[in-house]
Amino acid sequence: QQQVKQSPQSLIVQKGGISIINCAYENTAFDYFPWYQQFPGKGPALLIAIRPDVSEKKEGRFTISFNKSAKQFSLHIMDSQPGDSATYFCAASMWGGYNKLIFGAGTRLAVHP
Amino acid sequence: SAVISQKPSRDICQRGTSLTIQCQVDSQVTMMFWYRQQPGQSLTLIATANQGSEATYESGFVIDKFPISRPNLTFSTLTVSNMSPEDSSIYLCSVLAQRTEAFFGQGTRLTVV
Repeated sequence: QQQVKQSPQSLIVQKGGISIINCAYENTAFDYFPWYQQFPGKGPALLIAIRPDVSEKKEGRFTISFNKSAKQFSLHIMDSQPGDSATYFCAASMWGGYNKLIFGAGTRLAVHP
Repeated sequence: SAVISQKPSRDICQRGTSLTIQCQVDSQVTMMFWYRQQPGQSLTLIATANQGSEATYESGFVIDKFPISRPNLTFSTLTVSNMSPEDSSIYLCSVLAQRTEAFFGQGTRLTVV
């Protein structure tokens, strides 16, 4: 019940295309859902986060879609760029985020020029 | 935001020895976390370290193997004791700042030979 399932494991997108990464969770106590971006040799960095009171959040080219009834959320990267090539992790937390993070398995994104 | 300095950045250690990893934050934070990340894999929480209380360990991790200190609101250490090659991994310190945003250090890449 503590797991967060993430897919796909890897993704190749052409420059300018849309990258979509999906996550699903079981624990209904989760109420904070961030996405982290990690480049090789670096720690993860927060990209965007959503709470279950909204179904979508957009920041620049990055959008989270959230489906509470299905217990699923996804990250959309519009106009994908080679600089977006990184590993993306979804995560979930309780207590509004003031708690430990449970991470998905990660998606390795490669954006080809 | 929070800037985290982790030391050492990498080390190669002999089996049976111990390594202490330091995590220094540039601001006072209540919640600190230690994660382990196998190369190319997801992050697994080792323990939560709050100042003034004993660290809380996740299933599969024990204090004798991974003792943690949290002497004040800006510093913590994780010791990997009696190391074996299976302990080879990246160890990451994380803190919660601005209440819910988790910041990560760049990690300590440990190789046990």
